[in-house]
Amino acid sequence: DSGVTQTPKHLITATGQRVTLRCSPRSGDLSVYWYQQSLDQGLQFLIQYYNGEERAKGNILERFSAQQFPDLHSELNLSSLELGDSALYFCASNGGDSSYNEQFFGPGTRLTVL
Amino acid sequence: AQSVSQHNHHVILSEAASLELGCNYSYGGTVNLFWYVQYPGQHLQLLLKYFSGDPLVKGIKGFEAEFIKSKFSFNLRKPSVQWSDTAEYFCAVNVAGNMLTFGGGTRLMVKP
Repeated sequence: DSGVTQTPKHLITATGQRVTLRCSPRSGDLSVYWYQQSLDQGLQFLIQYYNGEERAKGNILERFSAQQFPDLHSELNLSSLELGDSALYFCASNGGDSSYNEQFFGPGTRLTVL
Repeated sequence: AQSVSQHNHHVILSEAASLELGCNYSYGGTVNLFWYVQYPGQHLQLLLKYFSGDPLVKGIKGFEAEFIKSKFSFNLRKPSVQWSDTAEYFCAVNVAGNMLTFGGGTRLMVKP
């Protein structure tokens, strides 16, 4: 158990819908990262938040957005869902104040868009 | 931008065989290097990491990796695999901003 929690574990929805994925970082970690794992694209970095502020952005679609709340949990919002958005979405956390910190990954949310 | 290549997509070994998984990265500056493992149905777990110092890094479960700067490589090795090592292995690099860039992964199947 990494200490990072994600809910829900599974999510099945239809095209065009909107979903919210939730992540709680390890206690004390200020930085949250979101990654998407799909069969065709592999593991890709989406976005990073540090202490409530967006710090880095990767291959995140405009239909996707995220935020980090004062209690440091983060939510990833996916809207106008398409079949190709079906993937495993991981959240990771670390102290965020140094590039020497490993990232601790949550169990992931498996999103299926029908 | 940096990129990571893992040349072996699927590897099948018998128990007790030796393992070497290749990882090459493209970036000319200083990098931090990682190997993560994902057991079936589970989250990513760190096997080992290299930041600086001794280029031969020892990790958990008997795994080790060698950083060869001149070859931009960070290959993962284990002298004798077990059935429980069946998993997907990911090499990753971190340059700046803490984001990880992952390779495509290598699926290892160990036959009992």
